[in-house]
Amino acid sequence: GENVEQHPSTLSVQEGDSAVIKCTYSDSASNYFPWYKQELGKGPQLIIDIRSNVGEKKDQRIAVTLNKTAKHFSLHITETQPEDSAVYFCAAADSWGKLQFGAGTQVVVTP
Amino acid sequence: NAGVTQTPKFQVLKTGQSMTLQCAQDMNHNSMYWYRQDPGMGLRLIYYSASEGTTDKGEVPNGYNVSRLNKREFSLRLESAAPSQTSVYFCASSDDRGYEQYFGPGTRLTVT
Repeated sequence: GENVEQHPSTLSVQEGDSAVIKCTYSDSASNYFPWYKQELGKGPQLIIDIRSNVGEKKDQRIAVTLNKTAKHFSLHITETQPEDSAVYFCAAADSWGKLQFGAGTQVVVTP
Repeated sequence: NAGVTQTPKFQVLKTGQSMTLQCAQDMNHNSMYWYRQDPGMGLRLIYYSASEGTTDKGEVPNGYNVSRLNKREFSLRLESAAPSQTSVYFCASSDDRGYEQYFGPGTRLTVT
């Protein structure tokens, strides 16, 4: 089955700097890669996703890139703000359409 | 739109007790999912229902049963709770199978 690895597990950035989270996946048939943000005590919230026919997608300060050959994808957050502090999860949909999640990255943005 | 709702928010059970976690969505989605979240392990799929009337096992189904009551509701039952089932449980739904899943607020379950 699909296996998703996510790095780093924790990331501390200064407000205004950029943050990058990287994920790798194992199933070459995976075709959908969402990113979720989870604030303390809440459910995960979908923030951006990308499908396998696209190499990059942007939405304001966040962007996702996908390299299908290398089987890795990344989340980029620019001009970080304190409200970006949360746990971020990547995921990949396997050939059956089921999501396999990474272990998560705790992002801390310090003023 | 309330989105995905879950009840209860918190629950404490003794080993061997049973309970049902309830989930409902008002987005007219076809697919619904149950996940558990444990520290350092992300979210793991317990069961899912691709459409009304169908259910399938996910990655960690042992000790759980599900019922897709209708298009809106998907329940998760623990027949005989064990301490290993202490976790936060999330329900999710999506229109297109697997894609754009929307999550509920979670149920924090402790089994003593």
